[in-house]
Amino acid sequence: LAKTTQPISMDSYEGQEVNITCSHNNIATNDYITWYQQFPSQGPRFIIQGYKTKVTNEVASLFIPADRKSSTLSLPRVSLSDTAVYYCLVNYGQNFVFGPGTRLSVLP
Amino acid sequence: SAVISQKPSRDICQRGTSLTIQCQVDSQVTMMFWYRQQPGQSLTLIATANQGSEATYESGFVIDKFPISRPNLTFSTLTVSNMSPEDSSIYLCSVDRPGQDYGETQYFGPGTRLLVL
Repeated sequence: LAKTTQPISMDSYEGQEVNITCSHNNIATNDYITWYQQFPSQGPRFIIQGYKTKVTNEVASLFIPADRKSSTLSLPRVSLSDTAVYYCLVNYGQNFVFGPGTRLSVLP
Repeated sequence: SAVISQKPSRDICQRGTSLTIQCQVDSQVTMMFWYRQQPGQSLTLIATANQGSEATYESGFVIDKFPISRPNLTFSTLTVSNMSPEDSSIYLCSVDRPGQDYGETQYFGPGTRLLVL
C-alpha cells in the first residue's frame, strides 16, 4: 500500500532556506514527485516536479536521493508570504498519493 | 499551466439535498480529476473523469453518492448527493497537462467550499 509522510509543521524565519522532506515507499525509477503550495481558501498551486536527482526552477529545488525513498523541497530565502501548507504528490504509476501536508510558518 | 474555474465557490446546504459542482478549463484536456479535502486534511482523490467514458472511482467513493459528468473536453460536474454534515469539505477539480520535461502535472481549480447543516 502506497504511503507518503511529511512533517506536520515547520517554523522558519524570513531569509532562511527551508527544506521539507516527503518520505515515500515503493517508488519506481520513473515515478515522479510533485510539490504544491496551498493558502487558505485556495486550490493547491504547483511549485516543482521531478523524478531524478535534482531539479531547480525559479522558486524552488527538488532533491531525490539515489534510494528514492524520499524527496526534499528546498525553498531558498523564504519570506512571510511563503507561510502556507506544502504537499508532496507521489505518482506511483497510474496512482496518485498526496502527503499529509506540512504547515510552514515563516516568522519575521 | 491551466486556467480552471469552479462554480459555486461556496455553498451552504441542508442535509438530504444534492449539490452539483461545475469545473471549467480554458482548453481541452483528456483527464479531469475530482478531489475532496476535509477541514485541515490533505487531498483525497474521489474519481477520474475521461471524456466519453464513465468515471473511475477510488476505493470508498461510489457513483450513486458522487455522480460525475464529462460531456466534453473542457467541462465536468461532480454531484454530491443526499448530503450529510460529513460531506462538508472542499471539493477540487484538477486537470493533467504534460510536465515540463516528462510525465504529467496536475493543476487545480480554486475549490468549492461546501457546508452541510
